Order: sequence, then C-alpha cells, then structure tokens
Amino acid sequence: GENVEQHPSTLSVQEGDSAVIKCTYSDSASNYFPWYKQELGKGPQLIIDIRSNVGEKKDQRIAVTLNKTAKHFSLHITETQPEDSAVYFCAASGAGSARQLTFGSGTQLTVLP
Amino acid sequence: EADIYQTPRYLVIGTGKKITLECSQTMGHDKMYWYQQDPGMELHLIHYSYGVNSTEKGDLSSESTVSRIRTEHFPLTLESARPSHTSQYLCASSELAGDGTGELFFGEGSRLTVL
Repeated sequence: GENVEQHPSTLSVQEGDSAVIKCTYSDSASNYFPWYKQELGKGPQLIIDIRSNVGEKKDQRIAVTLNKTAKHFSLHITETQPEDSAVYFCAASGAGSARQLTFGSGTQLTVLP
Repeated sequence: EADIYQTPRYLVIGTGKKITLECSQTMGHDKMYWYQQDPGMELHLIHYSYGVNSTEKGDLSSESTVSRIRTEHFPLTLESARPSHTSQYLCASSELAGDGTGELFFGEGSRLTVL
C-alpha cells in the first residue's frame, strides 16, 4: 500500500518568514495530493490539493509543488501569520479500487510573533 | 463550515463500559470515515463506508465496530472500553468520487478517556 513520509515534525518560523513542509510517497500510481490544516480542538480542513497532471498550484499565500519523478510534494506558506500556526498533514491517494487517502504524520507549525 | 457533527466531544468512562460515538452529516455524502488520532498527531483510518449497509475496516486494526443504516449517520461502538482505547476519534465524510479524489469534511472529534 501507499506510504507517505512527512518532514519536519515540528517547524518554528518568525512571522513574515516562509515555511516549507515536504512529503514523499511510495506508490507511483497515486494521483491526488491534498494538504489539510488542523487547528487546536478542531478537525482537519482541506487547504489546497494538487493532481498529478499539474506541477504547481498556488492559492494566495499557499502553494504546493509536485515532482512525480521523485515522488515528492511540498507545501509552501509565504508571509506567515500567527493564524497559520496549526498542524499540517499531507496525503496521497492510494492505488486499487478502495483508493483511500494515506496521511503523513503531521507537522506542527508555530509562527512566532 | 462543514455540516458534520460528532457527539460527545469529550467522554471519560471506566473500563468495561460500552460506548457509542455519534457522527452525523447533512451534506448527503455517500462516503464516511472514522479516524483515530493518537497524541503524536498521526491519523489512522479505522473504518469507512461507501453508503448504506456498507462498512469496511481501515488500515489500523480496531476493536470498535460501526454501522451505516442511514446515509447521514455513522456511529462507532466499543462494546467494552479499555484504557488502550483512550484517543481522539475523528469522523469525516466525502462525496463518492470514482477516482479516489474528493475533499474530506471532518467533524471536530470525540476525545475518549478510559480510566
């Protein structure tokens, strides 16, 4: 099955700086890569996703890049703000009829004022 | 705001008790999921359903059971709770997309503590 590795597990940045979170996946058949943000006391929420026919996607301060050859994808947050502090999860869709999402282990991002 | 609700939000019970965690969604989604989230943050899929009368086990083995009698409800039951069941349980739903894509809408979670 699919295996997704996510790094780093914790990340602290100064407000206004950029943050980058990286993930690798194992199944070359995976074709959907979402990112979820989980704030304290809440469930995860989709913030951006990318499909395998696209190399990069941007939405305001958030961007995701995908390298299918290397089987890795990254989340980039620019001009970080305190409200960006949360746990971020990457995920990849697995192969087979079930096609469940496999999540990475999460990154605790802290934006320091 | 996602229209998916979990109750109770917090539950503290003694060993051996039977508990049911409720999950309801008003979006008409066919697919529903239960994830277990440990203190280390990782999300583990324990059950999912494609629709009414469909239930499947996820990647992480769990002693809990689920049922899907109605589209909008996907309750999770533990017949005899143990301290090892202490965790946060997250319910989610999505539209049934054939290619495996589709946004997951999560509830706010049920935090279970078994003494």
